[in-house]
Amino acid sequence: EAQVTQNPRYLITVTGKKLTVTCSQNMNHEYMSWYRQDPGLGLRQIYYSMNVEVTDKGDVPEGYKVSRKEKRNFPLILESPSPNQTSLYFCASSLRGTLTGELFFGEGSRLTVL
Amino acid sequence: AQKITQTQPGMFVQEKEAVTLDCTYDTSDPSYGLFWYKQPSSGEMIFLIYQGSYDQQNATEGRYSLNFQKARKSANLVISASQLGDSAMYFCAMREGNTDKLIFGTGTRLQVFP
Repeated sequence: EAQVTQNPRYLITVTGKKLTVTCSQNMNHEYMSWYRQDPGLGLRQIYYSMNVEVTDKGDVPEGYKVSRKEKRNFPLILESPSPNQTSLYFCASSLRGTLTGELFFGEGSRLTVL
Repeated sequence: AQKITQTQPGMFVQEKEAVTLDCTYDTSDPSYGLFWYKQPSSGEMIFLIYQGSYDQQNATEGRYSLNFQKARKSANLVISASQLGDSAMYFCAMREGNTDKLIFGTGTRLQVFP
């Protein structure tokens, strides 16, 4: 089954404790991206990647890191999480970027930073 | 300035009626793309429809159509014959230029009642 898989789905952590949210897709997509969703703000793009070893900043990259060492994986790293990074995170992928718009989204990862 | 504006935080519609969800955008780039996504209460993001800035005709996908008015910079989503399952949050989004950055609006919550 074609899918985008995120882990963990739910996480409660404390300020400053490094964490990684993994994202994996099995559709051989070139493009992958991370978003955060906050009430009243919609979705905001954190980072995106058009291919292996190619990453670019979205609108809210501060406090996050990403890497794209393999085509299928695009982990989101929070080196030193802070409470303002409490949010719902989505990973998405598509075959050819946003040219036609059909992004495939993961189920979301709800992160709480205390 | 906001690049994507959804002015309706919430909308109600009776089953089988049509409903229009508003979206206006702001860009100076002649090349861009406009999208609509649906987010049911279960949380996943579902791609609905895409309109490219150079597309001559309004996009349609089943019961969804995009009312694209370039001069007004609006890209309203029209849902015909509403169903109870259409109750969800709806997001308008824009790809600006030939980048792969995607900007989302704040969303409109649609409630369909019997």
